[in-house]
Amino acid sequence: DTGVSQDPRHKITKRGQNVTFRCDPISEHNRLYWYRQTLGQGPEFLTYFQNEAQLEKSRLLSDRFSAERPKGSFSTLEIQRTEQGDSAMYLCASSLVVTGAGYEQYFGPGTRLTVT
Amino acid sequence: QQPVQSPQAVILREGEDAVINCSSSKALYSVHWYRQKHGEAPVFLMILLKGGEQKGHEKISASFNEKKQQSSLYLTASQLSYSGTYFCGTGKGGGADGLTFGKGTHLIIQP
Repeated sequence: DTGVSQDPRHKITKRGQNVTFRCDPISEHNRLYWYRQTLGQGPEFLTYFQNEAQLEKSRLLSDRFSAERPKGSFSTLEIQRTEQGDSAMYLCASSLVVTGAGYEQYFGPGTRLTVT
Repeated sequence: QQPVQSPQAVILREGEDAVINCSSSKALYSVHWYRQKHGEAPVFLMILLKGGEQKGHEKISASFNEKKQQSSLYLTASQLSYSGTYFCGTGKGGGADGLTFGKGTHLIIQP
């Protein structure tokens, strides 16, 4: 169990550019979540996948944001036409959801995006 | 709706106890506690479920009052390593869906 990994760890981009982040979940985990965290705030939920199916998207996820998990393993989050307000830490988490109750989500180290 | 955490910040001496509260205006089904150190990922501490079940990975205790829609995290005999920001997250179910986090409680433990 190597934990959740994210790449890149830091990204600086100019306003208007597109960026893509990658998340590799814990290998046996079937659910993968994306959150965004700004300074002084808790993580804000963006979207999550059950295997390759995207089951829920937050209203925070504007049309410029798209996420996919094509083979039910790693996931990518793309932001098109970045704006300064997109500057944040983008966190990925994964969990193993089976029958029962109570599922802990394990977070990756995050990708810090700075839009100049 | 975002849960409300209190206090916003706590400064303690090593060995003292702390209580962090999390309350919601909506019915709670599950409460998830995390600790985050500066520049690091949030680390899972504990889940509390409606009905009383708890799952945790550290020697930290917590309570879940369904009637009052609130949870409290108890840190006893605090250690320097307990310093960080504590977040509570609420889930619609057991946490299988996305969580809604509070703004956090900053805990500083001094020697």
